[in-house]
Amino acid sequence: AQTVTQSQPEMSVQEAETVTLSCTYDTSENNYYLFWYKQPPSRQMILVIRQEAYKQQNATENRFSVNFQKAAKSFSLKISDSQLGDTAMYFCAFMKLPQGAQKLVFGQGTRLTINP
Amino acid sequence: IAGITQAPTSQILAAGRRMTLRCTQDMRHNAMYWYRQDLGLGLRLIHYSNTAGTTGKGEVPDGYSVSRANTDDFPLTLASAVPSQTSVYFCASSDSFGLNTGELFFGEGSRLTVL
Repeated sequence: AQTVTQSQPEMSVQEAETVTLSCTYDTSENNYYLFWYKQPPSRQMILVIRQEAYKQQNATENRFSVNFQKAAKSFSLKISDSQLGDTAMYFCAFMKLPQGAQKLVFGQGTRLTINP
Repeated sequence: IAGITQAPTSQILAAGRRMTLRCTQDMRHNAMYWYRQDLGLGLRLIHYSNTAGTTGKGEVPDGYSVSRANTDDFPLTLASAVPSQTSVYFCASSDSFGLNTGELFFGEGSRLTVL
């Protein structure tokens, strides 16, 4: 069974700073996806970024980027130029391939607060 | 576009009562899921459905049942609620037959308190 661990329950930074959220996972699979989801106070989960395990290049989406270390089974999220709207719970998630229904395994979450 | 609609938004329930959480999607996604979110545990999969007419058990299925009579609806039923089922429940959907990007689309959650 796969497990996902987020060791930082809470983090807090000043607006415009850069922050990195950590995530490690355990799997014997070779083909999988990794995700970061954001859950703002409204509760609705939103996909932030996705990484395919077969790709060596780290995924980026505007201010969001990942550091994917497959051998170390590490998948951290970097938020550059943080904004007040980035305040949210962030969840790291794992999905093995191939499969029908896309069953994600989530980490415990990191509560990120961006201070003005 | 509504996406995923869950009802009720919040509910307080006496232990032993039966409760159905409703979930409807308008994206014609083939796959649907129910997760529960608990502090310190993240989200855990309860049940899922790959297509209408089929369902499967997730990580924490005990005490819950689901049905998938059509593509759009995926209700979650607690036959006899217990306090440990106090949680926030999220319904989600995905198009696993399409690009299979792995992206799930979530509802806004249903907060359930069992006393």
